[in-house]
Amino acid sequence: DAKTTQPNSMESNEEEPVHLPCNHSTISGTDYIHWYRQLPSQGPEYVIHGLTSNVNNRMASLAIAEDRKSSTLILHRATLRDAAVYYCILSPHLLGGTSYGKLTFGQGTILTVHP
Amino acid sequence: DTGVSQNPRHKITKRGQNVTFRCDPISEHNRLYWYRQTLGQGPEFLTYFQNEAQLEKSRLLSDRFSAERPKGSFSTLEIQRTEQGDSAMYLCASSPRRTGGGEQFFGPGTRLTVL
Repeated sequence: DAKTTQPNSMESNEEEPVHLPCNHSTISGTDYIHWYRQLPSQGPEYVIHGLTSNVNNRMASLAIAEDRKSSTLILHRATLRDAAVYYCILSPHLLGGTSYGKLTFGQGTILTVHP
Repeated sequence: DTGVSQNPRHKITKRGQNVTFRCDPISEHNRLYWYRQTLGQGPEFLTYFQNEAQLEKSRLLSDRFSAERPKGSFSTLEIQRTEQGDSAMYLCASSPRRTGGGEQFFGPGTRLTVL
């Protein structure tokens, strides 16, 4: 499985934007980039995923580098509820977009949000 | 509540005993996944089902572990002859057919403590 590298921890202030980086220099052409987050004492929660183009949803934006070797999860206005561990995951997909299934989690980035 | 549910939420057992966990996925989700998470680490993939078929098993899943999804709905994970190293959070996730596994919905987990 292709690996990702994330900072161990980051800090932000409430209502400010947060940019969470992820390096994935060995990404293959069939790998989708997924982001999940895990709040304390809860199971992981899907945030966003993409392949080549930048993606937006109600939770966040995903900016993917042109060479796909890095990506950035953007939380536009951090809230206290966004304090969590954020995982950047590569998941290989078959042609047509069906994934192989498993997610390989790393250590993630612990995001602390200050009031 | 229409999310993924897991029972029990907590289980304390003595070494050598057998334990069984249950996962009820979101209705009509055809894929179901099991992960294990130890303190301070990201979740580790154990196995996954598409409908009732078990399509992949991790090397982490020793012969003491068995998972079933007999009718393609709920699933059970059994650990025989538990060891202290089995102490962890066991997470279940499901995904709908339309996303092909790109978005997994996690349950709250079952925390196992082996004394």
